[in-house]
Amino acid sequence: TQLLEQSPQFLSIQEGENLTVYCNSSSVFSSLQWYRQEPGEGPVLLVTVVTGGEVKKLKRLTFQFGDARKDSSLHITAAQPGDTGLYLCAGSTIGYSSASKIIFGSGTRLSIRP
Amino acid sequence: AAGVIQSPRHLIKEKRETATLKCYPIPRHDTVYWYQQGPGQDPQFLISFYEKMQSDKGSIPDRFSAQQFSDYHSELNMSSLELGDSALYFCASSHSWGQGAYEQYFGPGTRLTVT
Repeated sequence: TQLLEQSPQFLSIQEGENLTVYCNSSSVFSSLQWYRQEPGEGPVLLVTVVTGGEVKKLKRLTFQFGDARKDSSLHITAAQPGDTGLYLCAGSTIGYSSASKIIFGSGTRLSIRP
Repeated sequence: AAGVIQSPRHLIKEKRETATLKCYPIPRHDTVYWYQQGPGQDPQFLISFYEKMQSDKGSIPDRFSAQQFSDYHSELNMSSLELGDSALYFCASSHSWGQGAYEQYFGPGTRLTVT
């Protein structure tokens, strides 16, 4: 069974601090997505990483895909209250004749205190 | 850009009633996914369809069924509703291509309340 473990599960930090969320698996993924979800709304896709070792930046957010494509991290610099939400990673495996299998991590609930 | 459309946005049903949730994927997306999210919980995968065929099955109760139609929209049918079925139900869609990424785009959700 493929599993994606996210850590930490909960994180509450002060505005302006930096933080890193991790997404780990023993399985290799063809791609990995990061989502952010606010209460009562659908998850919003932040980024997709495809190549091992790939680093993508989205303003204060930096996403990295592990060299072996088994893990990923999300680093937020100078966190702001607007970053508060549930962060989900999702790994994709490929099937040529059918839809890919997408596995979601357990989520990280981030709270930024003003 | 067009997004995933879900209807209705809110639904109130009584125990043992039936509910039907609809999902209209992003144009040219061939895969639809259904998720259930209880209060304070992470989204739980229910079922997915690729090119109108069921492609994967998660923790979907036997009381629920779903299908994808020729126009790629999908419906989740829920019968004998229970109080515990009260949740946000999300639909997501994706487009499959070669060895590329399978990004899912989520709809705004349907909030189902069972009383």
